[in-house]
Amino acid sequence: GESVGLHLPTLSVQEGDNSIINCAYSNSASDYFIWYKQESGKGPQFIIDIRSNMDKRQGQRVTVLLNKTVKHLSLQIAATQPGDSAVYFCAENPSSNTGKLIFGQGTTLQVKP
Amino acid sequence: DTGVSQNPRHKITKRGQNVTFRCDPISEHNRLYWYRQTLGQGPEFLTYFQNEAQLEKSRLLSDRFSAERPKGSFSTLEIQRTEQGDSAMYLCASSWGTSGEEQFFGPGTRLTVL
Repeated sequence: GESVGLHLPTLSVQEGDNSIINCAYSNSASDYFIWYKQESGKGPQFIIDIRSNMDKRQGQRVTVLLNKTVKHLSLQIAATQPGDSAVYFCAENPSSNTGKLIFGQGTTLQVKP
Repeated sequence: DTGVSQNPRHKITKRGQNVTFRCDPISEHNRLYWYRQTLGQGPEFLTYFQNEAQLEKSRLLSDRFSAERPKGSFSTLEIQRTEQGDSAMYLCASSWGTSGEEQFFGPGTRLTVL
């Protein structure tokens, strides 16, 4: 079946640097995308979302970019902090006829002090 | 804390036993989802409800799995005749909407089948 994938299983950055986590999706009909952060032993926590009629959305220290031409999604975290260390998942809603999310495998972000 | 609660948080059972998990969503949310997550993987969709109606089930949801949301509020997920391959984290999420929208996840129930 179709899936959302992430390019790198692990990303290591220095505290204070910017982080970019990438995601490729395969379903061109997907109209909603979302990034989650998951810490060990906890459920996924919402970070930011974007609909297919947008190409950029900003939150507090985070920005999501959507490139529908190449079916690519990225999450940018500014001034990365130790508390940002976690596994990050992108997910897509494959059509307006379903509420389910399809998740990628995740990128582990390690922040070095 | 997202407001979604799940019980129990951990369950250890022997192969062949039945288990039941409960999810209490955010009260005003009309949609409730079940996902399964194994170590190192992203959550995999199992099923979801809109109010009390079960709208979609994944092929992952074998005949041994059944989910209910009888009054459109809390939900239960039952696994009959558990197998070792059922060991995973079972996540519940809820949302308000009719298409793609933010889903709020609970802490999960970790199932270990011996």
